[in-house]
Amino acid sequence: EAQVTQNPRYLITVTGKKLTVTCSQNMNHEYMSWYRQDPGLGLRQIYYSMNVEVTDKGDVPEGYKVSRKEKRNFPLILESPSPNQTSLYFCASSRSWGMGPERAFFGQGTRLTVV
Amino acid sequence: TQLLEQSPQFLSIQEGENLTVYCNSSSVFSSLQWYRQEPGEGPVLLVTVVTGGEVKKLKRLTFQFGDARKDSSLHITAAQTGDTGLYLCADSRITAGANNLFFGTGTRLTVIP
Repeated sequence: EAQVTQNPRYLITVTGKKLTVTCSQNMNHEYMSWYRQDPGLGLRQIYYSMNVEVTDKGDVPEGYKVSRKEKRNFPLILESPSPNQTSLYFCASSRSWGMGPERAFFGQGTRLTVV
Repeated sequence: TQLLEQSPQFLSIQEGENLTVYCNSSSVFSSLQWYRQEPGEGPVLLVTVVTGGEVKKLKRLTFQFGDARKDSSLHITAAQTGDTGLYLCADSRITAGANNLFFGTGTRLTVIP
C-alpha cells in the first residue's frame, strides 16, 4: 500500500530537548516536504526536498532542520524546541519535482507539544 | 505575497442539505487542488483543476474554477455525515525549481445527522 509514515504520532517534550520526527515513503517519490498546521493559519511549509541531498526552506523554516540522505526518508529535526513550535506536523511526498499539479500524499500527522 | 482565502471558515449543516465553499486568491492560480482532511488524518487530494472555467464532478461534489483563475468553489449536493472534515484549497507555486503547494486556511464542515 502506498503510504507516507510519520513517527511518532504524538509527542510531548520539554523546551530545549532535541527531537526528531521521522518520515518515510514507500512510493519512490523524489519530492518530500514538511508542513505545520495551526488553527487559523492553515498548512505552512517548513522545508522541502527535491531529491537526495537537495533541500530548501519553505515559508517557516526557523527553528527546524531537515536531512535527505536516502530517497525514502526525510526527518524533521528540532534542535532546541520552544513552545511556539507546538503544532500538528505533516510530511508529504509526490513524484518528480513537486506537488502541484502532481498528487501529494500526506502522512497521518505528528502532534507535538512543547512545554 | 499571495493570499488564499477560504470561506466560510466554519459551516454546520443538516444531513441532506446542499452547500458551497469558496477559495479566492489575490493572484492567478497556477493550478488549484482541493483536499479534504478528516480528524486525525492528513489531507487527501480530491481534485486538481487547471483550466479557467473548468468544472469537475466527483460523485456529489462539483468543483468549479473561475474563468479568470482567481477563484474556485466546491459544491456538495445532499451532504452526508461522511463529508464532515476540513476542506482545503491549495495553489502550486514554483520556487527555486520546485513546485510547492501553498494552502488556504480551510473550511471546517460539520454535517449533522
